[in-house]
Amino acid sequence: GAVVSQHPSWVICKSGTSVKIECRSLDFQATTMFWYRQFPKQSLMLMATSNEGSKATYEQGVEKDKFLINHASLTLSTLTVTSAHPEDSSFYICSAGGPGQGGDTQYFGPGTRLTVL
Amino acid sequence: AQKITQTQPGMFVQEKEAVTLDCTYDTSDQSYGLFWYKQPSSGEMIFLIYQGSYDEQNATEGRYSLNFQKARKSANLVISASQLGDSAMYFCAMREGPSGYSTLTFGKGTMLLVSP
Repeated sequence: GAVVSQHPSWVICKSGTSVKIECRSLDFQATTMFWYRQFPKQSLMLMATSNEGSKATYEQGVEKDKFLINHASLTLSTLTVTSAHPEDSSFYICSAGGPGQGGDTQYFGPGTRLTVL
Repeated sequence: AQKITQTQPGMFVQEKEAVTLDCTYDTSDQSYGLFWYKQPSSGEMIFLIYQGSYDEQNATEGRYSLNFQKARKSANLVISASQLGDSAMYFCAMREGPSGYSTLTFGKGTMLLVSP
């Protein structure tokens, strides 16, 4: 149980285009999902917390107009990188809060590798 | 100050031996949770083990155990009988507060390499 999927797993796009990444909780409902960014050989950096039916909460330094987050249902959150540029190339990974040991646990999707040319 | 500190950028261990990955944390909350995740080269984050701040027993999950020393604020991961497939990046993370929907803070990670 507690499976999170992400689509696409990798994407290559031209500079200036927008890219949408989907995060789905497959076997549980997630009122809260999280979006992280990870550069090579670095740790995960939280970008935003996505709450179903309300606006996302962005971390300091993350441009909300650049990274649009929509959490339209209890099983789906989307991250849209608008007008992507090469510096947006990174590994994007989502997680969903779900039932786990001793309370609730964050379960992670497999990640999306974005390359902007 | 860093909330999660992993002091070992890399660790080497021989197959079948045990290895300890260090993690110290900093929080003023009474209720918190500590997690270990494994990230192989494919990138996915695999949940390994969880320890709640009020749990009196050290958590164990198969070959993984968490050496929780609350007074020292340490939560080291012990992997017994290492296997080649254990080679990966390992992240320690902390959730402050009781809710599973609180954000996680990650350490910088430790790269573990298991040799035959």
